[in-house]
Parts: sequence; C-alpha cells; structure tokens
Amino acid sequence: GAVVSQHPSWVICKSGTSVKIECRSLDFQATTMFWYRQFPKQSLMLMATSNEGSKATYEQGVEKDKFLINHASLTLSTLTVTSAHPEDSSFYICSALNPAAGYEQYFGPGTRLTVT
Amino acid sequence: RKEVEQDPGPFNVPEGATVAFNCTYSNSASQSFFWYRQDCRKEPKLLMSVYSSGNEDGRFTAQLNRASQYISLLIRDSKLSDSATYLCVVNVSGGKLIFGQGTELSVKP
Repeated sequence: GAVVSQHPSWVICKSGTSVKIECRSLDFQATTMFWYRQFPKQSLMLMATSNEGSKATYEQGVEKDKFLINHASLTLSTLTVTSAHPEDSSFYICSALNPAAGYEQYFGPGTRLTVT
Repeated sequence: RKEVEQDPGPFNVPEGATVAFNCTYSNSASQSFFWYRQDCRKEPKLLMSVYSSGNEDGRFTAQLNRASQYISLLIRDSKLSDSATYLCVVNVSGGKLIFGQGTELSVKP
C-alpha cells in the first residue's frame, strides 16, 4: 500500500538552532501534503497545508516565518522549525493525499522533536 | 466550542465488553468523517470511514447522523489489542482534517 516516510524519526537540538523535517510519499505523487503537531495528551493540530509548487497555507496562530514549509516536488515536503525553542518540542506528523486512491490521506510515522 | 468534540475518557473495560464512543462536530458543511486509532507515540491509522447509512467492519460499527452532527463508534467483544486512543476526525474541505481530542481505551484481561 501507499507509504509516507518522515525523516528524522526523532531529533534533539539546542535552543536557537533550526531543524528540518522531511516528508516523502514513497509510491505515489502527492500534490497536497499536510503538517500536524501533537503535544502530549493532546490531539493532532493542523499546522499548514502544503501544495506542490505554491506557498503553504498556514492555520490561524501558526507562524509562517517560524515554520517554513517547502513542497518542491510531488513526493517531498519539508518543514523547517527555525530558531527552535523548548516550547516547540512536540510530535510533528505529515500526511499526504493520494489522488490515485480517491484522495485518501496517508500519515507519516512522525518526528519527535526535543529542544533543550 | 471545539470543532470536533469527543467523550473525555479514559474508558477502562474488561475483555469482551462492548464500548461506545461518541463525537460531535460543529461545521455543518463537513464533507467526510472517519475514526482513526492512535497507539502511544505512533501516527494515527485509519480505522474506518463513517457513512450516513452506517457501516460495519467486523467488531466495529460506525454511524453518522448529519442532522445532529453526531458520529459514533461501537466496538463489540473488546480485545486487549483494541487498547489505544480513538480519534474522531472530520474532513472539512479538500482533505483538511480536524481531529477530536481522542478517547483513550484500555481493555483489561
């Protein structure tokens, strides 16, 4: 079946540094990908919608200059957390829409970010 | 008001029990509805889509009432492996999913 991968699966970084997370659709082309964030004991919150070849659409309250999204190809979207702070520590999950499967949405395994 | 609201849980049930989860959503224009399952520290996985006519998949039955903006999930004959967090999810448009806060289920021997 369709698979979405994320890299890295976990990362620890120091406060003030930037971290890039990759989301890849492995066997289908995804014109649209989504980025979510999940804090402990909370549900997934949509951060932004990433469309190939255009600017991402951010949800209210999500800083676009802090969370940079690039969707340069039909199989890759990246999320860069710039100048990370401890409050950015969270579980970041991407998903991709598969147009060949009725736009079913497939989730990546997530990236656990810890900022010290 | 949250866009998708679920029973707060947690639900602690013995093996073999029947358990029901409820969910309400606020956007009447929502297009499609799902139940996802999420295990600890993992990504959510689609359990089943939910249709107005009701649908069943083995021990799982889902129901949608558009007039009441209400979604339910029934699990019969609970197994230990059913222990997880169950997420009610609504597609508001174009694949944009809104997740409920989740209900934790713990099935005990």
